[in-house]
Amino acid sequence: AQKVTQAQTEISVVEKEDVTLDCVYETRDTTYYLFWYKQPPSGELVFLIRRNSFDEQNEISGRYSWNFQKSTSSFNFTITASQVVDSAVYFCALSEVFYNQGGKLIFGQGTELSVKP
Amino acid sequence: EPEVTQTPSHQVTQMGQEVILRCVPISNHLYFYWYRQILGQKVEFLVSFYNNEISEKSEIFDDQFSVERPDGSNFTLKIRSTKLEDSAMYFCASSVASVYNEQFFGPGTRLTVL
Repeated sequence: AQKVTQAQTEISVVEKEDVTLDCVYETRDTTYYLFWYKQPPSGELVFLIRRNSFDEQNEISGRYSWNFQKSTSSFNFTITASQVVDSAVYFCALSEVFYNQGGKLIFGQGTELSVKP
Repeated sequence: EPEVTQTPSHQVTQMGQEVILRCVPISNHLYFYWYRQILGQKVEFLVSFYNNEISEKSEIFDDQFSVERPDGSNFTLKIRSTKLEDSAMYFCASSVASVYNEQFFGPGTRLTVL
């Protein structure tokens, strides 16, 4: 079965703290893609990153970094030196290749991050 | 920068009425999707559409739902007879390819069924 689990429902940090959002996935497929999306209070979904299952190299983009570990089926997201503007709901998502005719994304429940000044 | 647009931003309707939610995907994209998000919950896949036909649909996408691409730009979701539980945010998304590319989401239409 395909499933994405974000066990942290809500996280609250103070500005400048580092924070890690966890994502664990289940898939039948050997080839798949993982994504992170941000949903700010305004409601839109903003694409952050895509990672394919063959690329376990960690990625850093400014204050954002992602740690993909196939052995533990995890794709965690770290924000370094958090800012108030990072406050949002963050969704991890999975897209299988072989078992997925239309490219649907399977989303986790989301983690609501609140960064306080 | 090209973006997905959706209209209306908010739709209020009475139970049993038909609604049509409209989307204009990014112009060179070939794959189109509808998702919904009930307030406070996760985003759920409804349907994917490619080459003028449905590629895949979820269990949520029953006979009350239909999609159409009536011209070269619009992509619509119709709910024939709305129910209270259809109240949600509906997101349209598009992508250049299917599984390999990120999907770009529109701002959403908030549907309220009274």
